[in-house]
Amino acid sequence: NAGVTQTPKFQVLKTGQSMTLQCAQDMNHNSMYWYRQDPGMGLRLIYYSASEGTTDKGEVPNGYNVSRLNKREFSLRLESAAPSQTSVYFCASSERSGGPETQYFGPGTRLLVL
Amino acid sequence: GESVGLHLPTLSVQEGDNSIINCAYSNSASDYFIWYKQESGKGPQFIIDIRSNMDKRQGQRVTVLLNKTVKHLSLQIAATQPGDSAVYFCAEIGRTGANNLFFGTGTRLTVIP
Repeated sequence: NAGVTQTPKFQVLKTGQSMTLQCAQDMNHNSMYWYRQDPGMGLRLIYYSASEGTTDKGEVPNGYNVSRLNKREFSLRLESAAPSQTSVYFCASSERSGGPETQYFGPGTRLLVL
Repeated sequence: GESVGLHLPTLSVQEGDNSIINCAYSNSASDYFIWYKQESGKGPQFIIDIRSNMDKRQGQRVTVLLNKTVKHLSLQIAATQPGDSAVYFCAEIGRTGANNLFFGTGTRLTVIP
């Protein structure tokens, strides 16, 4: 099992450009999540998907959209990138939502917005 | 609101010594906590978890202690090794009805050979 995979590993954007971060998991998990991690800070939840077909906002959703394409894949889109979105983005998955569940994380996507 | 924080941002220990990383949380209703290890350039990796109906849980070389009275969580690493050098986060399951985690800022553990 590859676990949680993310693409790309690194991306540089200019202000105003758009891009989509891809995430896939092969653990048959129901729930998936997108976090951002900034220097000196813990991870902050952007969006999550409790199950296929549902998505909900997390702590910092502004400037982002998500799509739960199927059970395996959960993408994060930046429609008009801003320098404040420079960060490391982590995707995670867990077996189910609504109860205490360990989340498993991907390796991250490092995004630089100029 | 909820907050999960760490007392010490950095910790240096000699190889072979025991390490203790502390964490304070503010939501007394939280009932599940997780410790993650994050090595440079990688995603957080699950270490150990504990539920509120327990005060201690042991894994391989790691022990988590939970003191609900003072809302304090600690991670003990026995016989610390160079490979243990990383940032350690405690996390609390969110209270919003969804399974999301609230992370502290992390403690950087450096093991001195």
